[in-house]
Amino acid sequence: ETGVTQSPTHLIKTRGQQVTLRCSSQSGHNTVSWYQQALGQGPQFIFQYYREEENGRGNFPPRFSGLQFPNYSSELNVNALELDDSALYLCASSLVMGETQYFGPGTRLLVL
Amino acid sequence: QQQVKQSPQSLIVQKGGISIINCAYENTAFDYFPWYQQFPGKGPALLIAIRPDVSEKKEGRFTISFNKSAKQFSLHIMDSQPGDSATYFCAADGNQGAQKLVFGQGTRLTINP
Repeated sequence: ETGVTQSPTHLIKTRGQQVTLRCSSQSGHNTVSWYQQALGQGPQFIFQYYREEENGRGNFPPRFSGLQFPNYSSELNVNALELDDSALYLCASSLVMGETQYFGPGTRLLVL
Repeated sequence: QQQVKQSPQSLIVQKGGISIINCAYENTAFDYFPWYQQFPGKGPALLIAIRPDVSEKKEGRFTISFNKSAKQFSLHIMDSQPGDSATYFCAADGNQGAQKLVFGQGTRLTINP
């Protein structure tokens, strides 16, 4: 059984560009959540997907959007990148909604 | 009201000592309180979690103490080892277990050999 994987591991973009981050959930996990972790801070909840539907959203603007696919993998899209979007983006999956989340290693995004 | 406040920001403990990290919350709707451990370059990993119907939970060297009336909970690491050196995050969730976690700011723990 493989754990949660994320790609790419690192990414550099310039302000105003768009970025797509990918997450493969642990085998059989149907719930995926995305978090943003700024340097030296705790993760902040962005949104959660359950069975391909958004199931709650944190305090992030609409330029943060996501998708979940039938195989439960997920994407996080960020449009019109800002310098403050520089952070570690974490994906977490769980077997069913409400059970323990397992985090991936994250994607480190740097916006210049 | 969604905040979880964690202290201290950093902590140095001698090998074999007890490491104690504290968290406080305001939102009385929170009903699930996990602790995560994060090593550099890795995602957070669940250490131990508690629900408010118990005041203490122990798993190996790790213990959560929970004080519902004070809205505080803490992590105790007994017999701290150099391998415990990591960043620790407390978190809380009040969405009936939907796992939309609110994290504390983190504590960087260093265990000196």
